Amino acid sequence: AQSVTQLDSQVPVFEEAPVELRCNYSSSVSVYLFWYVQYPNQGLQLLLKYLSGSTLVKGINGFEAEFNKSQTSFHLRKPSVHISDTAEYFCAVSGSGTSGSARQLTFGSGTQLTVLP
Amino acid sequence: DVKVTQSSRYLVKRTGEKVFLECVQDMDHENMFWYRQDPGLGLRLIYFSYDVKMKEKGDIPEGYSVSREKKERFSLILESASTNQTSMYLCASSFDQRHSAFFGQGTRLTVV
Repeated sequence: AQSVTQLDSQVPVFEEAPVELRCNYSSSVSVYLFWYVQYPNQGLQLLLKYLSGSTLVKGINGFEAEFNKSQTSFHLRKPSVHISDTAEYFCAVSGSGTSGSARQLTFGSGTQLTVLP
Repeated sequence: DVKVTQSSRYLVKRTGEKVFLECVQDMDHENMFWYRQDPGLGLRLIYFSYDVKMKEKGDIPEGYSVSREKKERFSLILESASTNQTSMYLCASSFDQRHSAFFGQGTRLTVV
C-alpha cells in the first residue's frame, strides 16, 4: 500500500507571491501522483498528475509540480498566486501495478492555502 | 461529463441504526471509492472496488461494509452507526489508476 504526507496543514501567502505546497509519498512499487484542489463548498477536482516521463508537470490555473523519485516528493508550485487560489489542496498516490492494493487511491491530509490581499 | 451521484446530501441517523449510502456513476468506470473527510485528517479511504463484486479494504474499514452488485453502483453500509462515524462521506470513481477520480457532492452524515 501507499501513503502520503503533506507537511504543512496551513500555508498563508500574500497575493502575487510564489508558493510551494509540499508532498512526500511512500510506496514499494512505482506510483502515479496527483494533486487535487477543493474550493470552498465545492467538490474535489484534478489539478495535475504525474504518470511517467518528464518529471515537471503542468496543470490548470498556472500550477506545476515536480516529481523527485530519490526524495519521494511531488511538491506543488505556483510562481504568483491570486486570491482565487484560496482552497484546500490534496496530494494523492496510487500504484502503477494491476494488483488490488495498487489500485488504491490514497490522499494526504490536505494543505489549506490562504491567499491574503 | 462524468457524473457521480450520491443519494443524499444530508442524513441524520440514530446510534445503532443500519445506514446505507448509495453512489452511482454513469461513465462505466472500473474503480469506485468511498472516503470520509474530516477536518485536519483529509480524505481517508474506507473501501474501494475495481470490479463488480470485488472489494478491497482501505485504511479505515472498521465499522463499515460495501456492496458492488452492478458496475455503476457502489454502496457503503454502516452496520451499526456510532457517533464517531459522524462525517462527510465522499464517493469517487475512475476509469483506472492513470485517470482522474471524479467525486460526488458528498453526504454529510450526523449520528446522534
